[in-house]
Amino acid sequence: NAGVMQNPRHLVRRRGQEARLRCSPMKGHSHVYWYRQLPEEGLKFMVYLQKENIIDESGMPKERFSAEFPKEGPSILRIQQVVRGDSAAYFCASSEQETQYFGPGTRLLVL
Amino acid sequence: GENVEQHPSTLSVQEGDSAVIKCTYSDSASNYFPWYKQELGKGPQLIIDIRSNVGEKKDQRIAVTLNKTAKHFSLHITETQPEDSAVYFCALNQAGTALIFGKGTTLSVSS
Repeated sequence: NAGVMQNPRHLVRRRGQEARLRCSPMKGHSHVYWYRQLPEEGLKFMVYLQKENIIDESGMPKERFSAEFPKEGPSILRIQQVVRGDSAAYFCASSEQETQYFGPGTRLLVL
Repeated sequence: GENVEQHPSTLSVQEGDSAVIKCTYSDSASNYFPWYKQELGKGPQLIIDIRSNVGEKKDQRIAVTLNKTAKHFSLHITETQPEDSAVYFCALNQAGTALIFGKGTTLSVSS
């Protein structure tokens, strides 16, 4: 049973470009969470999704950020018009009940 | 909102010694308390968790204790080994919600 998959593992973007981060949950998991980790800090919650629904987006900036978890395919975290402050590691986690299992993360670098 | 304080931020021990990391929280409604280990360049890996109806849980060299009255929970690692060196995060939530993380403890085990 494969774990949580994320791609790409590393992503370099110039300021103003778009970044798309993908997350495939563990088989049988219908809950996906996205977290952001700045260097030498803990993880901060961004958004919680179930299939085709956003359950809680209280941690996600109102502008430039969006997330989806379609009926088919991976969950996508999209960052439009990236700025240097968006450089961070982005992790997704999946769960079926309360235990959340994390993927390896996408490290975004904005030049 | 809920806040999690984690101490110490760094911990250095000799191989074979014990290591203890403590977290305190404020919201008595929190009922699930996982601990994650994060190695450099990887995603957080769940190592042990405890629920609010249990005071202590042990898995080989790792144990977690929970004091709901005092609102703190601790990770205990006995007989530390160099491969235990990593960043450890405490976290908590209420069922079905996003995890709130501590800021992490960098554990260094020297041989």
